[in-house]
Amino acid sequence: DVVMTQSPLSLSVTLGQPASISCRASQGLVSGDGNTYLNWFHQRPGQSPRRLIHEVSKRDSGVPDRFSGSGSGTDFTLKISRVEAEDVGTYYCMQGTHWPTFGQGTKVDIK
Amino acid sequence: EMQLVDSGGGLVQPGGSLRLSCKASGFTFSRTWMSWVRQAPGKGLECVALVRSDEAEKHYADSVRGRFTVSRDNAKNSLYLQMNSLRVEDTAVYYCTVGWSLDSWGQGTLVTVSS
Repeated sequence: DVVMTQSPLSLSVTLGQPASISCRASQGLVSGDGNTYLNWFHQRPGQSPRRLIHEVSKRDSGVPDRFSGSGSGTDFTLKISRVEAEDVGTYYCMQGTHWPTFGQGTKVDIK
Repeated sequence: EMQLVDSGGGLVQPGGSLRLSCKASGFTFSRTWMSWVRQAPGKGLECVALVRSDEAEKHYADSVRGRFTVSRDNAKNSLYLQMNSLRVEDTAVYYCTVGWSLDSWGQGTLVTVSS
């Protein structure tokens, strides 16, 4: 299986400041159809995960534009331009090009 | 709006069986791959099963292959996960999700395997 490695595993951010999470795959994520199925999810305590970003950089419906995804090959990044209180929780990267696998998760809280 | 409602979780002894259900609405279920993802208490996420829209393809995580069976009833817009020979390490919240990219999730149902 493809191993997804996130860093950092925890992040403490001041409100209004930017935040960035990295994700590295153990092998390339370009599918046979030319797409890269790298997604980002956000999970608040006690809630189901919610997909924020699909195919590296496409924001899902209703996701604020302060969230952005980038990357290619095996290295990907999720950025929050200005952290708000509702952004606390755990963020997971996930690849769907091969058998779906997730990163370990990055726990974000407010400093 | 896509909606998924998970049910069927509970407490079961090691070696026992349980069947989870997921009722879908708000999208064309019969044309969509579906999946089950689980999350052990305080842990990360693990995809355990995927099924094609017509059930012609089914895929399983190594950790559950031979013990779990995914199925669906397109006439009822429902997805199922039959779990046999349950182990303590199968204890988790199980989520029904959509497709390979997991774009929508159920609320989850807790399965506890304990004597």
